[in-house]
Amino acid sequence: DAKTTQPTSMDCAEGRAANLPCNHSTISGNEYVYWYRQIHSQGPQYIIHGLKNNETNEMASLIITEDRKSSTLILPHATLRDTAVYYCIVRLGGSNYKLTFGKGTLLTVNP
Amino acid sequence: KAGVTQTPRYLIKTRGQQVTLSCSPISGHRSVSWYQQTPGQGLQFLFEYFSETQRNKGNFPGRFSGRQFSNSRSEMNVSTLELGDSALYLCASSSRPAGDYNEQFFGPGTRLTVL
Repeated sequence: DAKTTQPTSMDCAEGRAANLPCNHSTISGNEYVYWYRQIHSQGPQYIIHGLKNNETNEMASLIITEDRKSSTLILPHATLRDTAVYYCIVRLGGSNYKLTFGKGTLLTVNP
Repeated sequence: KAGVTQTPRYLIKTRGQQVTLSCSPISGHRSVSWYQQTPGQGLQFLFEYFSETQRNKGNFPGRFSGRQFSNSRSEMNVSTLELGDSALYLCASSSRPAGDYNEQFFGPGTRLTVL
């Protein structure tokens, strides 16, 4: 699976959009981009995933660049409860996949 | 719908002992994956079971083993515990094999401390 690079930490004001970047320059054509988050002392929570098109669900939007070498997770109206570590993961499917989490980005939403 | 449950939530053992952790997936989910999370190594994949068969395995020694029952509940066993096994052990379930591009639902984890 391709490696990802994320900033160690970011701050965001409550009510504003949080834009979390992820670099995955070695991604291959059939690897998906996944985002999970982990609130302190809880298990990771799935947010969204995509291959090449932008995706949106009730939690967030995922913007993938045309060359697929980077992506941005957007939380449109961040709340204090969105404070968490956000993991960007690039992975293959199939029976030999390995879901590998990096260090992630600690997003702190400030009042 | 109840989420993924893990028991026990906290456990303290001593070196050399063995431990068994349990995971009950979301009803109807047949895939259970196990992960180890430590501050130094982050979250690492241990293994995945689907319909009672191990489908995939991470790079952990043979002291780490698991199994899945016909009701999809899974257990993970660690024998001859070492201090470095102290970690948060997470399980995740999904309706299809984890290698399919679907989402995994994580439990709250079992915090294992080895003294």
